[in-house]
Amino acid sequence: NAGVMQNPRHLVRRRGQEARLRCSPMKGHSHVYWYRQLPEEGLKFMVYLQKENIIDESGMPKERFSAEFPKEGPSILRIQQVVRGDSAAYFCASSRESNSPLHFGNGTRLTVT
Amino acid sequence: GENVEQHPSTLSVQEGDSAVIKCTYSDSASNYFPWYKQELGKGPQLIIDIRSNVGEKKDQRIAVTLNKTAKHFSLHITETQPEDSAVYFCAASNPSGSTLGRLYFGRGTQLTVWP
Repeated sequence: NAGVMQNPRHLVRRRGQEARLRCSPMKGHSHVYWYRQLPEEGLKFMVYLQKENIIDESGMPKERFSAEFPKEGPSILRIQQVVRGDSAAYFCASSRESNSPLHFGNGTRLTVT
Repeated sequence: GENVEQHPSTLSVQEGDSAVIKCTYSDSASNYFPWYKQELGKGPQLIIDIRSNVGEKKDQRIAVTLNKTAKHFSLHITETQPEDSAVYFCAASNPSGSTLGRLYFGRGTQLTVWP
């Protein structure tokens, strides 16, 4: 029973490039969450999605960041025109129901050079 | 919004001793409080959670207590082992009929257990 799968594990981008982070939820889970973790800090909520719908994006920066969870395939967190301040670990989590506990993946560590 | 404070930021104990990590929260409407363990290079792993209708929950060597009046909750690990060494995060959530997945995390406690 595979857990939450994220790829790539590490991603290096130059300033101005685009970063695409992928997340496949646990089997049977239809709720996906994205969190960002800066060094020495806790995780910060970014966005909550269900299949084909964005439910809560109140934690997402207004520009350059977008997320989707299509009917088929993984959830994607997209960061356009990356800047050095985007360097962080990005974690995806999934849950079976909206009131079920979250299970996290091992994250994607984005480095912007 | 919710603000979760976590103390201490680092904690060192001898193997076999107990470890206690404390968190406070600001939103009295929060009613779900999970604890996560994060090992180096990995994602947070849920180790125990508690909802506001109970004051204490125990799972083998791990226990969590909740004081809703004072708005604080604590993680207790007994008989610590070196493999307990990790960063521990507390979190709080107010589902409000939506989702409990919008978690507010503390800044973490680096626990080191010395053999």
